[in-house]
Amino acid sequence: QVQLQESGPGLVKPSQTLSLTCTVSGGSISTGGYYWTWIRQQPGKGLEWIGYIFYSGSTYYNPSLKSRVTISVDTSKNQFSLRLSSVTAADTAVYYCARETVEFTTLDSWGLGTLVTVSS
Amino acid sequence: DIQMTQSPSTLSASVGDTVTITCRASQSISTWLAWYQQKPGKAPKLLIYKASSLESGVPSRFSGSGSGTEFTLTISSLQPDDFATYYCQQSDSYPFTFGQGTKLEIK
Repeated sequence: QVQLQESGPGLVKPSQTLSLTCTVSGGSISTGGYYWTWIRQQPGKGLEWIGYIFYSGSTYYNPSLKSRVTISVDTSKNQFSLRLSSVTAADTAVYYCARETVEFTTLDSWGLGTLVTVSS
Repeated sequence: DIQMTQSPSTLSASVGDTVTITCRASQSISTWLAWYQQKPGKAPKLLIYKASSLESGVPSRFSGSGSGTEFTLTISSLQPDDFATYYCQQSDSYPFTFGQGTKLEIK
């Protein structure tokens, strides 16, 4: 059973860069057939898909965030990461990492989520 | 982006009831539709994929149907553990988008 765990600072100052890492255990991130994904949920609101990375490094980002988002992968550590630049209070959210199955395009495994607050 | 609209936003029901949640897509998504359950402070949990396929380990009282632009999630014989927020999500095209959620409350 694959498990995902987010880690990173819980507080980021406005205009700075938010950086989070997702550590995958119970399975290899290099296994084909999965996209490794970031999703966020602003307080009291719905879910917003941020983007994904394949183990080879290919990515796809939500156009609404594309200019500020970078997702990278470190297969040697079985981790993938999110960087979101020039953050504002609107980026305050619970950030989830998740695994998408390529075959059925389902988000079948999720991390517990980590709250990131943007505030000075 | 494909817009997903759920109704109702809130639903009150009792244990043992059968309830239905509707999700509409702004354009046809074939059967590329998933349903998730989320409880407070927890990550969403996949219930249904490809509109009507039950994820492994999910009770059979959950069922999904629909294709094109209109979909439903039905929960039969509600159990106390089912009171949560439910989201639909389209996976026909990127960026994936979610409905705004339906909160299922105890009456």
